[in-house]
Amino acid sequence: ETGVTQTPRHLVMGMTNKKSLKCEQHLGHNAMYWYKQSAKKPLELMFVYSLEERVENNSVPSRFSPECPNSSHLFLHLHTLQPEDSALYLCASSQEWGGNQPQHFGDGTRLSIL
Amino acid sequence: DQQVKQNSPSLSVQEGRISILNCDYTNSMFDYFLWYKKYPAEGPTFLISISSIKDKNEDGRFTVFLNKSAKHLSLHIVPSQPGDSAVYFCAVYTGNQFYFGTGTSLTVIP
Repeated sequence: ETGVTQTPRHLVMGMTNKKSLKCEQHLGHNAMYWYKQSAKKPLELMFVYSLEERVENNSVPSRFSPECPNSSHLFLHLHTLQPEDSALYLCASSQEWGGNQPQHFGDGTRLSIL
Repeated sequence: DQQVKQNSPSLSVQEGRISILNCDYTNSMFDYFLWYKKYPAEGPTFLISISSIKDKNEDGRFTVFLNKSAKHLSLHIVPSQPGDSAVYFCAVYTGNQFYFGTGTSLTVIP
């Protein structure tokens, strides 16, 4: 139990579907992150929220839309995805936003685009 | 271009021996370095970190070494145990950016 819960664990969707990934942290942290992990590639930082405000957006296509309604919840809304978007999506949190803050990861959502 | 490289995708070590995992980075401006461990079907978990003002940090069986001139980071596990079998990722930080390596899969043979 890492204190960061992601749902669903697995998701299969067509390219025209709309779905959302959910992340919830029970650690009282102020920063939350979305990462993408593709096969044989390093973890790619997608979005960062600190105190519910987005602080980083690493040139992610607009078909990925994050939402952070409060400091405990983070969503990733998916729309018109491409086959290359199939990957493991990881959510993480840390006490504060900053590189010296160890991040606590959820177990990820395995996304497959048909 | 990758900012962080873990050139060994896998490593096998006998139980009780030392495991050495390596990580090379490109930018001398990186100022914080972390190691994470990942078991199958789980997210990464933080293991140990070091700031650029140090060259060594130790936590139990785990020691991280930083060689700034060589832009090289290593993780030593002594003694290695079967439960250490996992994928190990190094991560580096500067400014507002994190960069992760591709990971090294460690197998500790009983």
